[in-house]
Amino acid sequence: DAGVIQSPRHEVTEMGQEVTLRCKPISGHNSLFWYRQTMMRGLELLIYFNNNVPIDDSGMPEDRFSAKMPNASFSTLKIQPSEPRDSAVYFCASRLAGGSYNEQFFGPGTRLTVL
Amino acid sequence: QQQVKQSPQSLIVQKGGISIINCAYENTAFDYFPWYQQFPGKGPALLIAIRPDVSEKKEGRFTISFNKSAKQFSLHIMDSQPGDSATYFCAASSQGAQKLVFGQGTRLTINP
Repeated sequence: DAGVIQSPRHEVTEMGQEVTLRCKPISGHNSLFWYRQTMMRGLELLIYFNNNVPIDDSGMPEDRFSAKMPNASFSTLKIQPSEPRDSAVYFCASRLAGGSYNEQFFGPGTRLTVL
Repeated sequence: QQQVKQSPQSLIVQKGGISIINCAYENTAFDYFPWYQQFPGKGPALLIAIRPDVSEKKEGRFTISFNKSAKQFSLHIMDSQPGDSATYFCAASSQGAQKLVFGQGTRLTINP
């Protein structure tokens, strides 16, 4: 299995531009999580989906952030417009739901720099 | 109440020594406590996990100690090696909950 796939791995953009991050979860997994990691705030959960349905988006910082999961094998996290304070590493993770203690598998992350 | 507090933020240990990272929680509904390991440029990966029905779990050089009454748990790395240098996150969740609550992370450096 290829694991969780994220693209792009690095993104540099200018303030005000739209940014779209992409994630392909592990085949067969039905829960998907988006995290943001910064030195100041550590690892923060932004939103998660079960069976393609958003369950908890309480971690989404602002309306500038949106996430979709149109099917079981693809999810996007969009920031529009982007701001320098959005600079961080964004991780996608997937999990096989159905057990309370199933492991979350993380992707390699997308390092976003907003100038 | 959803927080998991982790300490120290950074730790330097000599090769062969014991590395100890501590976490504390408030939510008594938490019943699953994993530790994740993250190398630079990589995503976190599950290292070891414990449920509160046992006080200790050991996998190789890695041991979780769990104190339910104190609401604390810790990771011990015996015979620490330079390859253990990474960031370690504790986390917690409750039965039926999908999401994990992560600690702030500890950057561990093992000096050769």
